[in-house]
Amino acid sequence: GQQVMQIPQYQHVQEGEDFTTYCNSSTTLSNIQWYKQRPGGHPVFLIQLVKSGEVKKQKRLTFQFGEAKKNSSLHITATQTTDVGTYFCAGGSGNTPLVFGKGTRLSVIA
Amino acid sequence: DSGVTQTPKHLITATGQRVTLRCSPRSGDLSVYWYQQSLDQGLQFLIQYYNGEERAKGNILERFSAQQFPDLHSELNLSSLELGDSALYFCASSEQGVDTGELFFGEGSRLTVL
Repeated sequence: GQQVMQIPQYQHVQEGEDFTTYCNSSTTLSNIQWYKQRPGGHPVFLIQLVKSGEVKKQKRLTFQFGEAKKNSSLHITATQTTDVGTYFCAGGSGNTPLVFGKGTRLSVIA
Repeated sequence: DSGVTQTPKHLITATGQRVTLRCSPRSGDLSVYWYQQSLDQGLQFLIQYYNGEERAKGNILERFSAQQFPDLHSELNLSSLELGDSALYFCASSEQGVDTGELFFGEGSRLTVL
């Protein structure tokens, strides 16, 4: 079945450094979504990408969907302590439920 | 507040026991999803219901079952519990029955099996 791999599993950065997490699917996706889960919290939707090569920005966050619609990335510029949490990508394919990656846990050292 | 309500928030029980987790989706959402999150693991999809009918099944054990009631709330039943069933169980809802559109997650039910 469809698999979604996410790297790195953990990332520790100094406050102000940039951060990137990558997501790869074993199959072509119809869309990809990103979620953030704060420590002790629940996943919260960040964004959905549906078009090949799509790039979307939310303040310091930049999301990309690959041309082949099999990979995606989330880049955070100048991290802040409020960015701490686990970032999940989730791939959608037709009528099947989203398949989540294992997430990248981001720690930000002040 | 996502609008998705899960109860109980915490549950401690013994091996071999049975528990029921409950979920009320956001008003108007027809789809309910159940996910299991173990320590340092991602979100494992268990099962999806849409307007009372089972829509999709993931890695759900035979000891687990779920249903969605006419008022759209859902229950996840876990029986013959084992230590390895200890996890955070999330319910999520969405407007539609297909994979497009965001999922709204509840705060989860943390199950500890001793």
